[in-house]
Amino acid sequence: DQQVKQNSPSLSVQEGRISILNCDYTNSMFDYFLWYKKYPAEGPTFLISISSIKDKNEDGRFTVFLNKSAKHLSLHIVPSQPGDSAVYFCAASASLGAGGTSYGKLTFGQGTILTVHP
Amino acid sequence: DSGVTQTPKHLITATGQRVTLRCSPRSGDLSVYWYQQSLDQGLQFLIQYYNGEERAKGNILERFSAQQFPDLHSELNLSSLELGDSALYFCASSVGGVRELFFGEGSRLTVL
Repeated sequence: DQQVKQNSPSLSVQEGRISILNCDYTNSMFDYFLWYKKYPAEGPTFLISISSIKDKNEDGRFTVFLNKSAKHLSLHIVPSQPGDSAVYFCAASASLGAGGTSYGKLTFGQGTILTVHP
Repeated sequence: DSGVTQTPKHLITATGQRVTLRCSPRSGDLSVYWYQQSLDQGLQFLIQYYNGEERAKGNILERFSAQQFPDLHSELNLSSLELGDSALYFCASSVGGVRELFFGEGSRLTVL
C-alpha cells in the first residue's frame, strides 16, 4: 500500500528553466509534508516542508505547493541549476504519539531523479 | 555534513549471519530513526527511539532489533540475514517534536 507516490521516476530539465516534481498521497491523516534531496553516496538532505494549514511555502528558488483536496503536492525549482541534479523524495508525516515525539515517522515516495542539463 | 554518523559505511556478509549497524545522532538530538532503502524503493521506516525508549515501529522484521543507549547512540541488529536484506540502512535524528530529520550517509549492507 503506497501511501505516498511519485509517479515520475525521472525528469530532465534545461538549466534556467523550471523543474516541477509531483507527489500524491492517500492518507488523510498526513498533516505535514517534506521534500528531501539525495546525492549519490550521501544521505537525504532536508529541502523544504509545508504544513497542511498552508497551501504554499517558499524558500529561495524552492516552492512547495499543497492541494489538500486533491491530495497532491509539488515542488517547483526556479531557476533550475545543474547542481540541483539529484534524487528528490517526497515525504509525509502524521501527528502521532505523546507530545509529538513520533513526528519523524516519515512515509517516503520512491523518488524522482532530476537531471538539469547545462 | 548532517552531524549524524553511521558505521560501517559498507558491509558484506553471508546469508545466516548477524550484523550490527551503529548510529551516533547529532549533538542534542534525542530521537533516532532507522530507515531501509532497498533497490528502486523509497525509504521505509523501521523504528524510532526517543531518549532510550522505543517510540514507534514500522514494518521491521522480527529478525531485526534496535536499541538506543544512555549516550543516545543507537544500534540496529540484523540477524539470520537473507539475500533480500541487502539494502542501504539510514539512521536519522531530530530534536523530538520536530519533523525535519537529519540523515546519516547510510550503511550499505550486501548479503551474499
